Amino acid sequence: SQTIHQWPATLVQPVGSPLSLECTVEGTSNPNLYWYRQAAGRGLQLLFYSVGIGQISSEVPQNLSASRPQDRQFILSSKKLLLSDSGFYLCAWSVLGRGNTEAFFGQGTRLTVV
Amino acid sequence: AQRVTQPEKLLSVFKGAPVELKCNYSYSGSPELFWYVQYSRQRLQLLLRHISRESIKGFTADLNKGETSFHLKKPFAQEEDSAMYYCALSGPGKLIFGQGTTLQVKP
Repeated sequence: SQTIHQWPATLVQPVGSPLSLECTVEGTSNPNLYWYRQAAGRGLQLLFYSVGIGQISSEVPQNLSASRPQDRQFILSSKKLLLSDSGFYLCAWSVLGRGNTEAFFGQGTRLTVV
Repeated sequence: AQRVTQPEKLLSVFKGAPVELKCNYSYSGSPELFWYVQYSRQRLQLLLRHISRESIKGFTADLNKGETSFHLKKPFAQEEDSAMYYCALSGPGKLIFGQGTTLQVKP
């Protein structure tokens, strides 16, 4: 069966420090991968998505970047965190098929920048 | 551009009352639409997809291309339906969500 792992669950980082959140998927190959930020009042905002290794699409300009070094690994990074980067980050995967696009979500990471 | 709009942040109803969570979308192609649900302390999960035309936990949703809507309905709300509901639209390579609606079912 397929599973998705996202870590850490919580993270407190000082302003200006780097960030690396990791997400891995098991039990499937060539998934579409996504990073979202969930914020009250703003819903689930798509940050990045990837349809293959090394292929990253950014949805919103921001202080973050994403990479996909392996087929089932998706990393969210920042060189210098800002206070506004605080939030709840979700990783997800799906395998596209006509009418069968179900996305599966990780447990999320609560990031607090202090 | 792809867009999903859920106009209500919070919908509060009494148990047994009908529920309608609104969703409107903007998409130039043939849309694939979904409803996802997040119960307290659980992961976000798929509730239903328009192409299946299914009823899940008593919920149904009909795609109305003329009104570009995909509203979620249930004739009689239950307390266990209280959760955050997201409407989602699948496009080339990506999946975008609306702002979400919190459904609160009061006893």
